[in-house]
Amino acid sequence: GQNIDQPTEMTATEGAIVQINCTYQTSGFNGLFWYQQHAGEAPTFLSYNVLDGLEEKGRFSSFLSRSKGYSYLLLKELQMKDSASYLCAVRQTGANNLFFGTGTRLTVIP
Amino acid sequence: DGGITQSPKYLFRKEGQNVTLSCEQNLNHDAMYWYRQDPGQGLRLIYYSQIVNDFQKGDIAEGYSVSREKKESFPLTVTSAQKNPTAFYLCASREGGPPETQYFGPGTRLLVL
Repeated sequence: GQNIDQPTEMTATEGAIVQINCTYQTSGFNGLFWYQQHAGEAPTFLSYNVLDGLEEKGRFSSFLSRSKGYSYLLLKELQMKDSASYLCAVRQTGANNLFFGTGTRLTVIP
Repeated sequence: DGGITQSPKYLFRKEGQNVTLSCEQNLNHDAMYWYRQDPGQGLRLIYYSQIVNDFQKGDIAEGYSVSREKKESFPLTVTSAQKNPTAFYLCASREGGPPETQYFGPGTRLLVL
C-alpha cells in the first residue's frame, strides 16, 4: 500500500520563505513529483526528485530523503500568486501511475 | 501549440443519464490517465491507458468506462451506475522519456441536476 501525508493548510507572508513537507510510505519508490494547483484549475508540474538531495528551480526547490521517506518543497520570495494547493505525488517502481497526497493549501498574505 | 484539451468545462448530468467527457492531446504521448478530484481529497485514478486499444482500471473505476481508439483521444463515460458523480475530472498524459512527467488538461466539472 501507499500513504502520503502533507499538512492541510499553511499561511505565509509575502516575501517570506515557506517549506511544505511531505512524508510517504510506499513499496518500491521510483520518484516524487510536486505539482501546483490554483483553485478550479489543473495541476501544473513543479519539480521531480528521484535521488536524494536538493533540486533548485528559480524560487522553488525540492528536497528528497529516500531513507526517511521525506520530501519538502521550498518556496522563496513568496508572491501573492503563489497562493495555491501544492500536491505531492509518488511513483512506485514498475508502475506508471502516480499516487497523490491530499495537497497543502498555501495562503500568502500581505 | 501542443497540449491537452478537455471539454466541456462544465457538464450537467440528469439522474440515470450517461455522459461522456472528452480528452484530446497533441503531445504524441502514449500514456493517458483519468483522475477524479473531490474537495479535501487527493487525485484518485479512475482509468489509464498505456497504448492505443489498451486500458486498465485504476483505484475507483466502478461506474466509469473508457475507450482508446486513437492515440490522441481518451474519452471517459460516467455511467448511471456511478452514484456520486459530482466532482472535478482531470485528464493527463505522460511524456515518454525521463522523468515521465504527467501533464494535465484544464479539467471538466461535472454536476448532477
